[in-house]
Parts: sequence; structure tokens; C-alpha cells
Amino acid sequence: QLQLQESGPGLVKPSETLSLTCTASGGSISSSSYSWGWIRQPPGKGLEWIGDDNYSGSTYYNPSLKSRVTMSVDRSKNQFSLKLSSVTAADTAVYYCARRAGGSYPEYYFDYWGQGTLVTVSS
Amino acid sequence: SYELTQPPSVSVSPGQTASITCSGDKLGDKYVSWYQQKPGQSPVVVIYQDNKRPSGIPERFSGSNSGNTATLTISGTQSMDEADYCCQAWDSSTAIFGGGTKLTVL
Repeated sequence: QLQLQESGPGLVKPSETLSLTCTASGGSISSSSYSWGWIRQPPGKGLEWIGDDNYSGSTYYNPSLKSRVTMSVDRSKNQFSLKLSSVTAADTAVYYCARRAGGSYPEYYFDYWGQGTLVTVSS
Repeated sequence: SYELTQPPSVSVSPGQTASITCSGDKLGDKYVSWYQQKPGQSPVVVIYQDNKRPSGIPERFSGSNSGNTATLTISGTQSMDEADYCCQAWDSSTAIFGGGTKLTVL
């Protein structure tokens, strides 16, 4: 059974860069059948997709965040990561890592999620 | 940008059928997934590709999608089904989530 676990600082200062890592266990992130992504949820609000990174290294970002987002995959460590630059209080949210399944666009869906980690942006 | 609209809340009595809608322009031309999220927990996919149930999801969960509306139906609703439900679709290579619907079983 695949498990995903987010890790990273819970507090980030405004204008700095948020960095999170997701470690997969019970399965490999090297499979070409899946992509690995990030989704966030501000307190009391709905889900917002941040982006995905697939096996071939192609990344897809939410246009509203694209200019500030960097994603990468480290298959040797079975990890993938998120960096979000120039953060503000509006970036305060629970950040989830997730596996994107479904074979081909637009059939994709998110079948495994991490437990989520709260990141607060505050000085 | 594309939007998915859900009612903020739906109430249902135990044992009855709950229907949660998700509306979007020509949504029937897209594939819709539904996620269940209980307080303090991560979302769980209950329906994907409009009407497919992942293994482990009870048969009482079903989905449909036509025209501008997708519907998640829970037959014989149980108290354990009380949760937030969120629809999701793809548009222009972007994953779009609905605002979520709180299902109350009372």
C-alpha cells in the first residue's frame, strides 16, 4: 500500500520560499503510469491544485501559481518536492502531496494523498 | 477560467439517498472525480472518471455526469458518510476543484 508523507517547515516568513518534500513508501515513484503532485487547502476553504511532475520530468503548474512554483522528483530517494517562492499570508494552507493516476488526460484523478502539513506564513 | 460550482451544504436522513451536484460549463464533456474529506483527514477519492468506484469504496456511492452537471449519489446514507465532498475536473491542463459540499446526516 503506497503511503505519502510530507515534511518541511511549518512556519515560513513572508517573501521567503516555502520548501516541502514528500516521501513515498510502499511503492516506487519511478512508475511511468503516474505523476506526483501537490494540492493545498487554506484553513476552512477548498482544495487548490498546485501542479504535477511526471516520470519523464514534464511538469504542469496551476497558471495562477506558475511563476512562483518549482517541482522536482528524486527517484533515487523516492521523493518529490515543492518550492513556492515569495510567499504571503495567502499561501497559508495545509499542503498535500498526492499521486495522480488515470492513464491519460483528461481522465486523471488523485488516488493517494499524504496526511497533509500545515504551513503558516507569518513573520 | 473554468469554475465548478457546488451547493455549500446538503442534508439527508439516515438510510435515505443523498445527491450532491457539481456544475460547470459543458461539464459532461469532461471527466469528474469526487473526493470525500472528513474533519482533520486527507481527501479520499470515492468516484473517478464520472462513475467508477475505487476498490474499497462502498457500492452505495455512485456518480453520473451529463450536460452541465455531475452528480454524486449516496444511496442508503450512513452516519459515517457525513463529510465534505468535492468534485474535480480538468480544463486546459489544469485541475479544477469545486468549492465543496458539506453533507450532514441527521
